[in-house]
Order: sequence, then C-alpha cells, then structure tokens
Amino acid sequence: AQKITQTQPGMFVQEKEAVTLDCTYDTSDPSYGLFWYKQPSSGEMIFLIYQGSYDQQNATEGRYSLNFQKARKSANLVISASQLGDSAMYFCAMRELGDSNYQLIWGAGTKLIIKP
Amino acid sequence: KAGVTQTPRYLIKTRGQQVTLSCSPISGHRSVSWYQQTPGQGLQFLFEYFSETQRNKGNFPGRFSGRQFSNSRSEMNVSTLELGDSALYLCASSLVGRGREEKLFFGSGTQLSVL
Repeated sequence: AQKITQTQPGMFVQEKEAVTLDCTYDTSDPSYGLFWYKQPSSGEMIFLIYQGSYDQQNATEGRYSLNFQKARKSANLVISASQLGDSAMYFCAMRELGDSNYQLIWGAGTKLIIKP
Repeated sequence: KAGVTQTPRYLIKTRGQQVTLSCSPISGHRSVSWYQQTPGQGLQFLFEYFSETQRNKGNFPGRFSGRQFSNSRSEMNVSTLELGDSALYLCASSLVGRGREEKLFFGSGTQLSVL
C-alpha cells in the first residue's frame, strides 16, 4: 500500500494565486515527521517545510504553510501568492520514528506550473 | 557554507561499462544517502552511509555499491551498466541521519544516460 499519496500529477495555476498541493499519508506510528521538498528543473531537491506529528500548530515558512489534518492523515502544502519561480516538482515525504532505518518515504510528486 | 556537491553533473556511458559518482556532503554532515530518480519509479533509496559504514540499503542489485571516506565524502559505483540504469542520481547529506525532524540536503544530482 502507498504510504505517501500525492493525487495531483500536475497543476496549472495563475501567478499570484494561492496553491494547495495535496498529500495524504498512511502510518500506524504515532511519531512521525512530514516534509515537503521542491525540485526545480535544475534537479536539486530543496527543503521547504517540516511538520511533526505532535506539533500542535501548522508549520509555516514564509510563503509556505502546511495544512496538517492529523485525523485525516493529510498534510497539504499551501503556497501563498504564487510566483513564476515556484514552477517545479513538489514532493511530500514522511519519516516514521519507529522505522529503524529512519528513511524518508516519498510521494510521486506534483508538477506545478505557474502561468504568467 | 558550501552545499552538497555532486560530480560529474552529466555522464553518458554504454551498456556493460561501469561508472563512479562522487558526492561531497555539507561540512560537518556525517550521513550520506543516495537516491535514484526516474520518471517511472520516482525517488528510490539506494543506500546510506555513516562514519564510513553502510547503515541502510535499498532494494537494488549488487551492481550498485558505494563507500564513504573518513572525510564523509561518498562515492557510488554501478557496474555492468544496463539501459534501465539511466536516471538522475541524487546524493543527500544530513548531520547524523537519525532525528525525526532531521532534514536532508541534496546535491544537484548526476544525470546518467546509458546508451
């Protein structure tokens, strides 16, 4: 079974609009962390934001925020006031503390294209 | 602070050859992980090294191997290349690779094409 699901293979959004990228996850581990990464065409994966399973508040980092709904096992990334430079692949990932390997489990990604 | 450096940026090889990719982690980072990224399979974990020891391994054949040196720099080697090995190979470093919130820092990758 997929542990990280990103249901949107691709999205087109008008510049300056807000964007929500979906991510649902599946785990029975009570302690886990959720990450979002951006991968522009250059190839490098860039860390955007982190949310811990015990964090009471939704994480925010500048224009990025994470809409964390624990009961629904959902961790959607929200980008406010999108810019042309936001065009990239976006990946959601999870690390389970109970996993002795401590490896990140990755979603398939969403390709975001910002239209001028 | 310099980021993660991967060399070379691009490689073209033919089937049956072998290849070595290099990764220099961020200074002070002791954990280095390697990933293979293809359009069809997404990001797949190859292996992780910590203090010159392979700590974790993904589900790849023995043709894929790696090592880590005392300065934390890492190399991965693919022997007897196959067409399906064509991919972007990403290296990531982190401090110790064991914290729940510990984030990975990635290099720009090596794009390998096997002809």
